[in-house]
Amino acid sequence: DADVTQTPRNRITKTGKRIMLECSQTKGHDRMYWYRQDPGLGLRLIYYSFDVKDINKGEISDGYSVSRQAQAKFSLSLESAIPNQTALYFCATSFGGSTDTQYFGPGTRLTVL
Amino acid sequence: DAKTTQPNSMESNEEEPVHLPCNHSTISGTDYIHWYRQLPSQGPEYVIHGLTSNVNNRMASLAIAEDRKSSTLILHRATLRDAAVYYCILRDLGYQKVTFGTGTKLQVIP
Repeated sequence: DADVTQTPRNRITKTGKRIMLECSQTKGHDRMYWYRQDPGLGLRLIYYSFDVKDINKGEISDGYSVSRQAQAKFSLSLESAIPNQTALYFCATSFGGSTDTQYFGPGTRLTVL
Repeated sequence: DAKTTQPNSMESNEEEPVHLPCNHSTISGTDYIHWYRQLPSQGPEYVIHGLTSNVNNRMASLAIAEDRKSSTLILHRATLRDAAVYYCILRDLGYQKVTFGTGTKLQVIP
């Protein structure tokens, strides 16, 4: 079984709809992250959480919110989806420490019509 | 934030070595150099990291310049499976965020 799972893997929605992307991990890591990837722009950090009570904004948090329900679960919400939020979304986890290697999920492809 | 500069794309023949460069002229003394790669339709995966000395693991080698202003990821024998986007990033010990640039897209030619 994958260590970092994301649901759904693909989603098509309409402008104005609320949508939630979910991430679960079995690695026992405290740190979790949400990124989006657009063609030609690399990965950009949306939000990150270093433990259940810690939530921080990343580079591009406007239009997004997150919830850290448990150590293993970190959800990303789009309260009112807009077409320019069409992108590939990745969840990641890390242990911390001197190297803090990140482990990524398989991604969710979101299309907002 | 300390930034890295990589070529947009590179090509290599299969079974030949590949040297992927990265410039990081504003690196600080406590920045670790990390490399990740992203295979098509997958999330990024860790490749290797180092601080000052050259590093080897089962996937690749990392050569770090003496002044640490540049580094090179070395794939000793490129395979078709190595075709991916390779990201060079800097990570400070106390720094809490990671910034991914656009990386280098490596094409491996059979």
